[in-house]
Amino acid sequence: GENVEQHPSTLSVQEGDSAVIKCTYSDSASNYFPWYKQELGKGPQLIIDIRSNVGEKKDQRIAVTLNKTAKHFSLHITETQPEDSAVYFCAARTGNQFYFGTGTSLTVIP
Amino acid sequence: DTGVSQDPRHKITKRGQNVTFRCDPISEHNRLYWYRQTLGQGPEFLTYFQNEAQLEKSRLLSDRFSAERPKGSFSTLEIQRTEQGDSAMYLCASSRDSRALNTEAFFGQGTRLTVV
Repeated sequence: GENVEQHPSTLSVQEGDSAVIKCTYSDSASNYFPWYKQELGKGPQLIIDIRSNVGEKKDQRIAVTLNKTAKHFSLHITETQPEDSAVYFCAARTGNQFYFGTGTSLTVIP
Repeated sequence: DTGVSQDPRHKITKRGQNVTFRCDPISEHNRLYWYRQTLGQGPEFLTYFQNEAQLEKSRLLSDRFSAERPKGSFSTLEIQRTEQGDSAMYLCASSRDSRALNTEAFFGQGTRLTVV
């Protein structure tokens, strides 16, 4: 099955700086890559996604890039704010299943 | 609220008891997923429904676990003879099927199960 690896596991940045989270996947059949933000005690919230026929997608301060050849995709958050502090998960969809990374705990220091 | 709804939000049960969780997906979504998440880990796939049909089950889903979606709308996940290792957050998600333009999966707030 698919194997999704995510790095780093923890990330601290100063408010206003950028944060980058990277994921790799193993199954070339994966065709859809969502990113989720999870706050303590809550379910994952979809924040952005990218499909395999797209290389980059941006939504305000959040962007995602995908390199199909290398099988990796990244989340970029610019101008970070304290409310961006949460755990972020990448995922890859293969067939009907979503496979998740192990998460990145992001702390934005005011 | 038109999002995915899960009930209860928290459940504490004694080892050996049975528990049942409910998920109400987004109304126009015909796909429904159950995931389990333990502390510090990403969600792990348990099972998936296309309308009322349970199409895939993970090896994680032992015979003590059963899921249903009888009318293709809400779903229930039952755990029989609970064990301490069943303690986790149980997440439900829903999406349109792959033929739709938008197939994003949206998660509920989860049911936190604690087996004592």
